Amino acid sequence: GAGVSQSPRYKVTKRGQDVALRCDPISGHVSLYWYRQALGQGPEFLTYFNYEAQQDKSGLPNDRFSAERPEGSISTLTIQRTEQRDSAMYRCASSLGAAEGGNTIYFGEGSWLTVV
Amino acid sequence: GQQLNQSPQSMFIQEGEDVSMNCTSSSIFNTWLWYKQEPGEGPVLLIALYKAGELTSNGRLTAQFGITRKDSFLNISASIPSDVGIYFCAGQVANTGKLIFGQGTTLQVKP
Repeated sequence: GAGVSQSPRYKVTKRGQDVALRCDPISGHVSLYWYRQALGQGPEFLTYFNYEAQQDKSGLPNDRFSAERPEGSISTLTIQRTEQRDSAMYRCASSLGAAEGGNTIYFGEGSWLTVV
Repeated sequence: GQQLNQSPQSMFIQEGEDVSMNCTSSSIFNTWLWYKQEPGEGPVLLIALYKAGELTSNGRLTAQFGITRKDSFLNISASIPSDVGIYFCAGQVANTGKLIFGQGTTLQVKP
């Protein structure tokens, strides 16, 4: 597509439920990133992939968070047993070249998650 | 963990004025980036800096990569109303795709 596409744009879920956030990167982009952004803060790194390989997941807060990119294109960020502190904007981004090469990354509009 | 300190937190200026904001880190970065974020949108890259001491311009924007590789500044000259937004600095962790972002500088421009 023309840009990084994320869905759903808005998600309200009850505490304890699992949620899955989807990211469709720019077509042909090698690297895909997940960030989380709280109100009034800068994006916080969660994880990134080169093709289907998860290169770094050091930013995932705990084991309730996981991400996959099985075919090297679309990615899903899953949060199990959601808690109120998980409420934030979750942003996906992608870059044409490999992440380590300093390639420009393009952010999507994000998925707003509210846990009630 | 690695953190970036960005200042000022917010600025409210008159149209036509110049603006300066900066970012410091306790860690060295090999790449410094400046992004702008507008309401409802994701951050958009403005300038990328790849070498210590590098000074790069993009229209009315100028950014420099500090010699120590632990700081960077962004200047906007002759501000206009469409400059309004949140400006983020980011450092790229060497040999990874991981970016560390500052807390942002909110810029308001009064016509």
